Amino acid sequence: DIQMTQSPSTLSASVGDRITITCRASQSISSWLAWYQQKPGTAPKLLISQASSLQAGVPSRFSGSGSGTEFTLTVSSLQSDDFATYSCQQYYSYPWTFGQGTKVEVK
Amino acid sequence: QVQLVQSGTEVKKSGASMKVSCKASGYRFITYDINWVRQAPGQGLEWMGWMNPRNGNTGYAQKFQGRLNMTSINSISTAYMELSSLRSEDTAIYFCATGGSYLDNWGQGTLITVSS
Repeated sequence: DIQMTQSPSTLSASVGDRITITCRASQSISSWLAWYQQKPGTAPKLLISQASSLQAGVPSRFSGSGSGTEFTLTVSSLQSDDFATYSCQQYYSYPWTFGQGTKVEVK
Repeated sequence: QVQLVQSGTEVKKSGASMKVSCKASGYRFITYDINWVRQAPGQGLEWMGWMNPRNGNTGYAQKFQGRLNMTSINSISTAYMELSSLRSEDTAIYFCATGGSYLDNWGQGTLITVSS
């Protein structure tokens, strides 16, 4: 199985900050990577597919980059609605696997 | 718009089986694969497997082989996930989600608690 490792596990930030979350794969997954946002008590929401393709309706302050084994999710100017947990997922090979999640909390 | 509505919270005994339903609306049901993902308390997301409603093909993560079964009744646009021989480690929220790679529409989740 492909292992997905996110860093950091927790990120403390303020509204207006630029934040970056990293996701590393245990082997190359090309660009077969998605990012999700999840708030407590709710289902994950797809933000980005194919490493950098923003889903319809997702604010442009979110962006994704990377290929191979290293990927990043960036929020250019954090808004109050962005405090949540973010997870990456590889869909290069079965079983699909997720990172352990990065919780973005209020500083 | 695509909507997935899951069955409600359940408490199960160790060794029992559980069956969660996922009713789809807003699209032609056989168009998209249905995946099941679970999340144990305070933990990350874990993909369990997929099912193609058009032909019934399935694929399960190795750790669930032998006790996981995914089915559907296409006439009522509903997918089912059955997990047997439950143990305490199966306590989790179970989600259904559409997608053949990334998962773009999710159900609201079903909490399954396994007690001894």
